[in-house]
Amino acid sequence: AQKVTQAQTEISVVEKEDVTLDCVYETRDTTYYLFWYKQPPSGELVFLIRRNSFDEQNEISGRYSWNFQKSTSSFNFTITASQVVDSAVYFCALSGVYSGGGADGLTFGKGTHLIIQP
Amino acid sequence: DTAVSQTPKYLVTQMGNDKSIKCEQNLGHDTMYWYKQDSKKFLKIMFSYNNKELIINETVPNRFSPKSPDKAHLNLHINSLELGDSAVYFCASSSRLAGGAYNEQFFGPGTRLTVL
Repeated sequence: AQKVTQAQTEISVVEKEDVTLDCVYETRDTTYYLFWYKQPPSGELVFLIRRNSFDEQNEISGRYSWNFQKSTSSFNFTITASQVVDSAVYFCALSGVYSGGGADGLTFGKGTHLIIQP
Repeated sequence: DTAVSQTPKYLVTQMGNDKSIKCEQNLGHDTMYWYKQDSKKFLKIMFSYNNKELIINETVPNRFSPKSPDKAHLNLHINSLELGDSAVYFCASSSRLAGGAYNEQFFGPGTRLTVL
């Protein structure tokens, strides 16, 4: 069974601080995919990043960066110089691949509510 | 321009009624999904469906049934609605890339269902 743990239920920081959201996953699959989604107060789910299990390169996109470490089964997300607009619930998610080749549904963590105070 | 659309956005109904939520994607994806987000924001997969296979999460009551008239649509039918069905329901879609991997799932805006 797959599992995603986001131990931080809520984080509150002051604008311009750096913040890291933790994600730890469990899977028996050798091929799997990791994702981060953002859910702002308006409610939609916004895709941020996808990472394949065989690609451990870290990624940076503007103020966002992701650290994928298979050795610790972690896929952490850092926002540098946070802004009020970053306030949202952030979800880490995991999917495998069915033996028939179909795409598995996402297993989500419980989310981290990030509050950026001005 | 909308990639994944859902109707209605809000649905308020009485216990015991039967209702449907429609989902359409114009991305040409081959797999669609339904997720339920409860009041604590927890997101859980309900169904995965492509033109070959329906995968049902075993925890989903059989009052819930997906119906796919074609590749671009996956509607969710709910019979005998219960108070506990109140939630936000998200439709999503994805597609296989060259090499066999799947891209990210694109989500619809969600349908907030309230059962009174």
